[in-house]
Amino acid sequence: SQTIHQWPATLVQPVGSPLSLECTVEGTSNPNLYWYRQAAGRGLQLLFYSVGIGQISSEVPQNLSASRPQDRQFILSSKKLLLSDSGFYLCAWISRRGGGYTFGSGTRLTVV
Amino acid sequence: KNEVEQSPQNLTAQEGEFITINCSYSVGISALHWLQQHPGGGIVSLFMLSSGKKKHGRLIATINIQEKHSSLHITASHPRDSAVYICAPQGVTIYNTDKLIFGTGTRLQVFP
Repeated sequence: SQTIHQWPATLVQPVGSPLSLECTVEGTSNPNLYWYRQAAGRGLQLLFYSVGIGQISSEVPQNLSASRPQDRQFILSSKKLLLSDSGFYLCAWISRRGGGYTFGSGTRLTVV
Repeated sequence: KNEVEQSPQNLTAQEGEFITINCSYSVGISALHWLQQHPGGGIVSLFMLSSGKKKHGRLIATINIQEKHSSLHITASHPRDSAVYICAPQGVTIYNTDKLIFGTGTRLQVFP
């Protein structure tokens, strides 16, 4: 079956510290992968998407970066977190063969 | 003007009531998704529509491509339906990305 794993579920990090959130998918190959963020009281915003290994596109300028070292692994990173990086981060994928989106369970990041 | 408009933004109902949430969009789409986000943040995909109507249990989703409008209906609403419902048109595929454009969501509370 097709599943998506995202961790950690919650994270509290001090300003200036690094960040690494990981997302892996199972049961599919060559998916399109996405990182979304939801700031408090706001809608979902697309941060990055990837159509293949090593291929990353950024939607908005920000303090974050993404990498796709393997077909089914998508990593969101930051070298130095800002307070404004706080939010709820969701990983998602969609199969190239069509069908709906599948979302990870999300990571709630609080930068203090 | 936002590309996706949802109404109402907030909705309260008594258990058993029939609920309708509306979504209008201005972009060309290949499909439209209805998503459910619970207070913990996790997102579940309810429907993906490209035409007509779909039904799953007490949930019904319709779309009118010509009018660029979709509705989500909940029959015999229940307190467990309380959540944020998000309309997310899927843009016409460009560079094979299948990106979603998110509405701001409708917060539904159903009281017993």
